[in-house]
Amino acid sequence: QQQVKQSPQSLIVQKGGISIINCAYENTAFDYFPWYQQFPGKGPALLIAIRPDVSEKKEGRFTISFNKSAKQFSLHIMDSQPGDSATYFCAASIPGTASKLTFGTGTRLQVTL
Amino acid sequence: EPEVTQTPSHQVTQMGQEVILRCVPISNHLYFYWYRQILGQKVEFLVSFYNNEISEKSEIFDDQFSVERPDGSNFTLKIRSTKLEDSAMYFCASRIRGSAYEQYFGPGTRLTVT
Repeated sequence: QQQVKQSPQSLIVQKGGISIINCAYENTAFDYFPWYQQFPGKGPALLIAIRPDVSEKKEGRFTISFNKSAKQFSLHIMDSQPGDSATYFCAASIPGTASKLTFGTGTRLQVTL
Repeated sequence: EPEVTQTPSHQVTQMGQEVILRCVPISNHLYFYWYRQILGQKVEFLVSFYNNEISEKSEIFDDQFSVERPDGSNFTLKIRSTKLEDSAMYFCASRIRGSAYEQYFGPGTRLTVT
């Protein structure tokens, strides 16, 4: 019940295309849903996050869509660039002192020229 | 821009040895975390720390692991007797306060146990 399921495992998108990564969760106590970007050999970097009280959040080329009833959320990268090539992790947390992050399994994105 | 720092970047140790991984969280942050990532796998929560005590730990965080905030800036993870399966990237993270959930990660320490 604590798991966050992420798909696809890998994704190849042409430059200028839209990259879409999906996540699903079971635990309705999750209250915060961030996306992290990780380059090889680096730590995860917070990209964008959403709370369940909104259905969409946009920051630049990155958009989170959130469907509370379906318990799903997704990351859309518009106008994908080669520099976006990285591994993307969705995550979720429950409010509280710990607020540990439960991560999805990751999506390796490759943006080709 | 403030950032979480970690040392060393790479630690090689022999099985059974003790290792201490060090982190300097962002200065005004109050909540501290350790996560690990086995090569090619997802990031897994180990432990959270607040107000000088552990607030939550995972089943991975057994008696071989301990955390400490020895002074006002450092946050350490100690593995008492390393095992081959402890080989992983270890990430420290911090966040500012209870109502702000954003966690900021350090660059990680790659631990190799031989």
